[in-house]
Amino acid sequence: GNSVTQMEGPVTLSEEAFLTINCTYTATGYPSLFWYVQYPGEGLQLLLKATKADDKGSNKGFEATYRKETTSFHLEKGSVQVSDSAVYFCALVQGGSEKLVFGKGTKLTVNP
Amino acid sequence: NAGVMQNPRHLVRRRGQEARLRCSPMKGHSHVYWYRQLPEEGLKFMVYLQKENIIDESGMPKERFSAEFPKEGPSILRIQQVVRGDSAAYFCASSPLRLEEQYFGPGTRLTVT
Repeated sequence: GNSVTQMEGPVTLSEEAFLTINCTYTATGYPSLFWYVQYPGEGLQLLLKATKADDKGSNKGFEATYRKETTSFHLEKGSVQVSDSAVYFCALVQGGSEKLVFGKGTKLTVNP
Repeated sequence: NAGVMQNPRHLVRRRGQEARLRCSPMKGHSHVYWYRQLPEEGLKFMVYLQKENIIDESGMPKERFSAEFPKEGPSILRIQQVVRGDSAAYFCASSPLRLEEQYFGPGTRLTVT
C-alpha cells in the first residue's frame, strides 16, 4: 500500500539556520505530494504541493522538489524563523483518490 | 469565510460512554473527510462523505464507529462505548469538489478515562 516516511523529530534549530526535513514515499503510479504545517492549537494548513516528477512546490520560503528517482519530497528552508515552530507533515494522494496518506509528523522548534 | 469548525475542541469520556464529534465544513463545501491521529502516529483516513451519503468508509473501524453528514447541519462522527484506545485527535477536512484541496479543522482531542 501507499506510505510516507519522514524523519523523526523533534528538530531544534537556532533562528536563521538551514532546515531540511526528509520525506520518502512508497506508492503505485504517480501520486501528488504535499507538505502540511500545524501550528500549536490549529488545524493542518497546506504549505506546498507538487503534482508530478521534478515539480518544485514553494511557499513562505519553504521548498520541496518531487524526486521520482529517489521517491523523495524533502522540505527545505534557507533561514528559519521562530514563527516557523510547528509540526510538519508530509503526505501523498494517489491519483483518483481522496484519501491523504500522512507521515507521522516532525516537530520543529526554532529558538531565538 | 470562516474555516472548518470542529467542536468540542476537547472531549473527555469514561469508558463505555458515547462520544459525538461535530464538524461544520467551510461555506460552499459539500465534501467532508474524517481523519484520526493516534499518539505518535500520522493522520489516518477514516471516512469520506458528501451530503447525505457515505462515499468511502474504508478507514472506519468495523464496530462502534459511525459517521453522517445530513442535508442540514454539521457532519457527526459518533463513537459508541468508547475504550481507552479511542483516545486520539480527530480531524475533519472539507473540500468544495471531489479531488480538490482539503481544508482542515483544528481537531477534537478525545480522552477516554
